[in-house]
Amino acid sequence: GAGVSQTPSNKVTEKGKYVELRCDPISGHTALYWYRQSLGQGPEFLIYFQGTGAADDSGLPNDRFFAVRPEGSVSTLKIQRTERGDSAVYLCASSFQRGGYNEQFFGPGTRLTVL
Amino acid sequence: DQQVKQNSPSLSVQEGRISILNCDYTNSMFDYFLWYKKYPAEGPTFLISISSIKDKNEDGRFTVFLNKSAKHLSLHIVPSQPGDSAVYFCAASGYGGSQGNLIFGKGTKLSVKP
Repeated sequence: GAGVSQTPSNKVTEKGKYVELRCDPISGHTALYWYRQSLGQGPEFLIYFQGTGAADDSGLPNDRFFAVRPEGSVSTLKIQRTERGDSAVYLCASSFQRGGYNEQFFGPGTRLTVL
Repeated sequence: DQQVKQNSPSLSVQEGRISILNCDYTNSMFDYFLWYKKYPAEGPTFLISISSIKDKNEDGRFTVFLNKSAKHLSLHIVPSQPGDSAVYFCAASGYGGSQGNLIFGKGTKLSVKP
């Protein structure tokens, strides 16, 4: 009955490095979302999975960003050649798809700092 | 260009009084609107929502009003409590909330003083 969990909670890396951020959604939730929240901003959509496939990746800023969800549960957001502008809190959310409104439950986020 | 705008970065009210948080949107395709509450170091938590076919939705101390012609919604908290102190995000969806991403405003930090 746990909520959405994200690891690590904090990640500090150097410019140019590769990072992976993990999201464990609520068990049984078929939809999974990644958002990015920069300082002073609201969450901005990155990518949405329905099951194993990316249903909408229109929010990914460039090809350095990639996300997978191979078994339809855990998802990993991957950032290559990190830049200082990638520093933000990366939020994951999941929802149980059904008719009508489907509440998105958010994890606590991973704070990424690129030095 | 922001599709969902919260023009007040902060709001301070006295305990027991009404808090009114405002939100404006530009995209007429949005048909579902939500308010999320966020405490520091936690993810946003869903608070209340409203479909575009309604103009009011109430849940306990929280009421959301939607004015489609003005593309404006507001969240009323009555009475305000110190535990309500948090950042409140307005969000919108173009899919009736059934799928797809949410578009968030920048948030309003509410401080409720005892």
